[in-house]
Amino acid sequence: ETAVFQTPNYHVTQVGNEVSFNCKQTLGHDTMYWYKQDSKKLLKIMFSYNNKQLIVNETVPRRFSPQSSDKAHLNLRIKSVEPEDSAVYLCASSLTGGARAEQFFGPGTRLTVL
Amino acid sequence: AQSVTQPDARVTVSEGASLQLRCKYSSSVTPYLFWYVQYPRQGLQLLLKYYSGDPVVQGVNGFEAEFSKSNSSFHLRKASVHWSDSAVYFCAVSALSGGSNAKLTFGKGTKLSVKS
Repeated sequence: ETAVFQTPNYHVTQVGNEVSFNCKQTLGHDTMYWYKQDSKKLLKIMFSYNNKQLIVNETVPRRFSPQSSDKAHLNLRIKSVEPEDSAVYLCASSLTGGARAEQFFGPGTRLTVL
Repeated sequence: AQSVTQPDARVTVSEGASLQLRCKYSSSVTPYLFWYVQYPRQGLQLLLKYYSGDPVVQGVNGFEAEFSKSNSSFHLRKASVHWSDSAVYFCAVSALSGGSNAKLTFGKGTKLSVKS
């Protein structure tokens, strides 16, 4: 099956803990993205990687760090989570990073910070 | 800079009725426009896209959208909705963000409820 896969589906943690989310795409794409979707469904780009290189790095807190081992994987680590980090984190990929590129999304990881 | 406005946070229609979801965009360069749909507890799925040419583009499941440069709009339409169309619909605009890499900017979404 070719798609974008994310693990875990859900994660509940305490303030101050470290969490890590995984994303893998089997579509043969060379660009991957992380988005944050808040409780009001608002979607914002956080990072994008093209062939393992960071391309877009929006203004996000420094406790967020993306990690890419190859162009099929893009993980997201959050050091010392805060309550405002509670959200759904969506991973996406596209064939290229160009403006016409259609992005394919994973199902998301729902993070709840207590 | 680019932005997208979806003026209707919620829309409710009866099954079998026609639908229009509104989208206005702002872009300093030629925009590429997309409509995505998000079903509960799922990621986003592409409905349709516009790059150039015929301003009316067809998408999946009977959806279409019309691009208007003069109105800076990209409204989504469907002739007859089904209860399974209940979801959140996002309009998005893409433009280059430095070099050859693009940035996709989403509207706030419109939640569609179809009542039987």
